[in-house]
Amino acid sequence: DQQVKQNSPSLSVQEGRISILNCDYTNSMFDYFLWYKKYPAEGPTFLISISSIKDKNEDGRFTVFLNKSAKHLSLHIVPSQPGDSAVYFCAARPAIKAAGNKLTFGGGTRVLVKP
Amino acid sequence: GAVVSQHPSWVICKSGTSVKIECRSLDFQATTMFWYRQFPKQSLMLMATSNEGSKATYEQGVEKDKFLINHASLTLSTLTVTSAHPEDSSFYICSARGASGSAGPADTQYFGPGTRLTVL
Repeated sequence: DQQVKQNSPSLSVQEGRISILNCDYTNSMFDYFLWYKKYPAEGPTFLISISSIKDKNEDGRFTVFLNKSAKHLSLHIVPSQPGDSAVYFCAARPAIKAAGNKLTFGGGTRVLVKP
Repeated sequence: GAVVSQHPSWVICKSGTSVKIECRSLDFQATTMFWYRQFPKQSLMLMATSNEGSKATYEQGVEKDKFLINHASLTLSTLTVTSAHPEDSSFYICSARGASGSAGPADTQYFGPGTRLTVL
């Protein structure tokens, strides 16, 4: 049972336009969400995170939106750049005192930004 | 920012041998480290959680006698794949979580670059 799902395995976008990546979760115990970017044969790089007490967090070109009632979050990248081409993973974890702070990852979305 | 290193970055070994992979947090103390493996075009699968000074907690289906984890200090955890077989060939990634107030946002895991293991 996948608790974190990224339903779009791939996304292609033109340079300069917005990239929108979506993520859905089923576990209502999740209260902290993260996005990671991963290049082939490298470890994931932390991008941005959001706590369940917020509905938006922005860091430069990256903005994460959280809709708790829908159990949905999204990552917006504006403007998209060719260097953003990578696989993006959504991850979630429950409250600190539970489950040892384990992260549950989605399946990833491969983003291709075309020049 | 928080930097995590892994060594080696890649290793090729014969079936039946053991391989040790090191994971180090370079600029912060990691009270908890995690070991993942990733098969091609798949997501990261958590294998075990390693806490400094105590036994690792393994995920369901992961053999603790085959994947030995040692977290002897606040900056180093090791994963030893014992009696490796071709099906153990994978990309192994570690991550480290600092104590509250250490490098980076609290509760964020920082990942190493990964180790590609190929068992012949």
